Amino acid sequence: DTAVSQTPKYLVTQMGNDKSIKCEQNLGHDTMYWYKQDSKKFLKIMFSYNNKELIINETVPNRFSPKSPDKAHLNLHINSLELGDSAVYFCASSQRVTNEKLFFGSGTQLSVL
Amino acid sequence: RKEVEQDPGPFNVPEGATVAFNCTYSNSASQSFFWYRQDCRKEPKLLMSVYSSGNEDGRFTAQLNRASQYISLLIRDSKLSDSATYLCVGNSGNTPLVFGKGTRLSVIA
Repeated sequence: DTAVSQTPKYLVTQMGNDKSIKCEQNLGHDTMYWYKQDSKKFLKIMFSYNNKELIINETVPNRFSPKSPDKAHLNLHINSLELGDSAVYFCASSQRVTNEKLFFGSGTQLSVL
Repeated sequence: RKEVEQDPGPFNVPEGATVAFNCTYSNSASQSFFWYRQDCRKEPKLLMSVYSSGNEDGRFTAQLNRASQYISLLIRDSKLSDSATYLCVGNSGNTPLVFGKGTRLSVIA
């Protein structure tokens, strides 16, 4: 059983399109995250949700909108995709906000053409 | 955002060698530190936690030096399967983990 699963694994799209990435965790964790890993492999936090509530929103363009329908799901919707959005997006979860052990999904490789 | 910094490498070492990575952190209030391992095109996975008293797990030893604000990872008797990127990670209180940019290790036969 996959603990943190995200779909799709690969996403190739044109500039200007809107796309979504879904994430689900079956670990019973309270906190979920979206991280972005760019071409230089730097892993950077984008958003953090605790029990469906947004607690961290780093400097991310408004085109990125996370949605957490329940604490087991955290989806990421991206409007008007730009070339610079190309990256690998990782979903992750942890037991609590202050619990440091992160479990990552396998990543979504987004390529904007 | 508080930062952690590490030498990106790559470190190219022969099998059986001992290799050490250091990572410095800028926030003296940082409380928790970890080493994650990331294989090519895969997600990061927790390798080990780092405690002030040191932490050893088989061939891997992690150390924390609060006075100098750095953490280290020592790998003894390197295996080909140790080839990966090693990410230094820290946080402070309720903040999410902040990842270093990673150190790439290649173990060569």
